[in-house]
Amino acid sequence: KAGVTQTPRYLIKTRGQQVTLSCSPISGHRSVSWYQQTPGQGLQFLFEYFSETQRNKGNFPGRFSGRQFSNSRSEMNVSTLELGDSALYLCASSLDGESNQPQHFGDGTRLSIL
Amino acid sequence: KNQVEQSPQSLIILEGKNCTLQCNYTVSPFSNLRWYKQDTGRGPVSLTIMTFSENTKSNGRYTATLDADTKQSSLHITASQLSDSASYICVVSAWNSGNTPLVFGKGTRLSVIA
Repeated sequence: KAGVTQTPRYLIKTRGQQVTLSCSPISGHRSVSWYQQTPGQGLQFLFEYFSETQRNKGNFPGRFSGRQFSNSRSEMNVSTLELGDSALYLCASSLDGESNQPQHFGDGTRLSIL
Repeated sequence: KNQVEQSPQSLIILEGKNCTLQCNYTVSPFSNLRWYKQDTGRGPVSLTIMTFSENTKSNGRYTATLDADTKQSSLHITASQLSDSASYICVVSAWNSGNTPLVFGKGTRLSVIA
């Protein structure tokens, strides 16, 4: 069974640009969550999608948005990039997002803002 | 405020030795506690998930304990190997937590040396 796939693995952008990251969950998983990981803050929850609907949202500005498609694949978009957005963005999937289910993480997209 | 604190921040041990990592949390109401292993440049991988009623769970050389009364957990690694070098992240899930279903610790960076 293929794991969670995130593309691209690395990305370099400049301030003010926008970026779209992609996540393909494990087959059969319908919940997809996104996280930002930085050395100083650790992992921080961005949002969770289930059945094409955003079900939970963390404390990030509106520049961070996402969506989920009917095949459960998800995209995350960041607009008007800032230097502080440089981070590893991780996607995780689970069957239906219930709290007792393990989350399976992808290897992330490393985003660098110049 | 829901928080997860891990100690130590970093640890260096000799190959073959045992070690214990600590996690204290203030998340309420508690649902479950997870330990993840994250290798450099990779996404986190689930080691254990424990609910309120479980006080110990093993996964090979990894044994996690949970004391729900004192809100403490530990991860014990037996007979460490070079491949155990990684960050270990403690994550606590809360019931009906609104916008933040999972609360992450900042991790313990373990280095196993020959």
